[in-house]
Amino acid sequence: DGGITQSPKYLFRKEGQNVTLSCEQNLNHDAMYWYRQDPGQGLRLIYYSQIVNDFQKGDIAEGYSVSREKKESFPLTVTSAQKNPTAFYLCASSETGERNEQFFGPGTRLTVL
Amino acid sequence: KQEVTQIPAALSVPEGENLVLNCSFTDSAIYNLQWFRQDPGKGLTSLLLIQSSQREQTSGRLNASLDKSSGRSTLYIAASQPGDSATYLCAVGGSNYKLTFGKGTLLTVNP
Repeated sequence: DGGITQSPKYLFRKEGQNVTLSCEQNLNHDAMYWYRQDPGQGLRLIYYSQIVNDFQKGDIAEGYSVSREKKESFPLTVTSAQKNPTAFYLCASSETGERNEQFFGPGTRLTVL
Repeated sequence: KQEVTQIPAALSVPEGENLVLNCSFTDSAIYNLQWFRQDPGKGLTSLLLIQSSQREQTSGRLNASLDKSSGRSTLYIAASQPGDSATYLCAVGGSNYKLTFGKGTLLTVNP
């Protein structure tokens, strides 16, 4: 079964803690993305990576970090520097050629206690 | 900076009706446009991808059109069903593979 998996589905964080969200894909896509979704707002891009060992900041990268050590994995760390981390986080992947249709995982809902 | 607007924000129709969802964007220099469906608490499901050189794409009861010069796209849903109830998102792709999303249209199809 090809697709994108995200874990955990729900995550609770205490203030001051760093947490890491997992994203794995078996679609053999070169590009991977992290988005944040808040009620009443469109999805906003946090980080993206077009190739292993390389990644770029999106529109709202402050307080987040990523790594891309393997083609199939793109974990996102929400650091204590992120002032308002409660949100729904979505991971996506795509090819990098002409047909770069993005496919999404099921999401992780992060709540700060 | 690309901005994407979706109208209406919410739409309620009776089952069986044909309907149109609208998407507009400010910068016509796009790479592609993608329509998604999102059910509550779930991830996004890709419905249709239109390349910048294309005018429309069809999948089953769905038809999406693209007019780059006017900065508009429409998603046409034929013979709507209660299972079509969801939020529909439009996203515009730039040359660096980044997508800019609209805020979505919440569709309710009443039995």
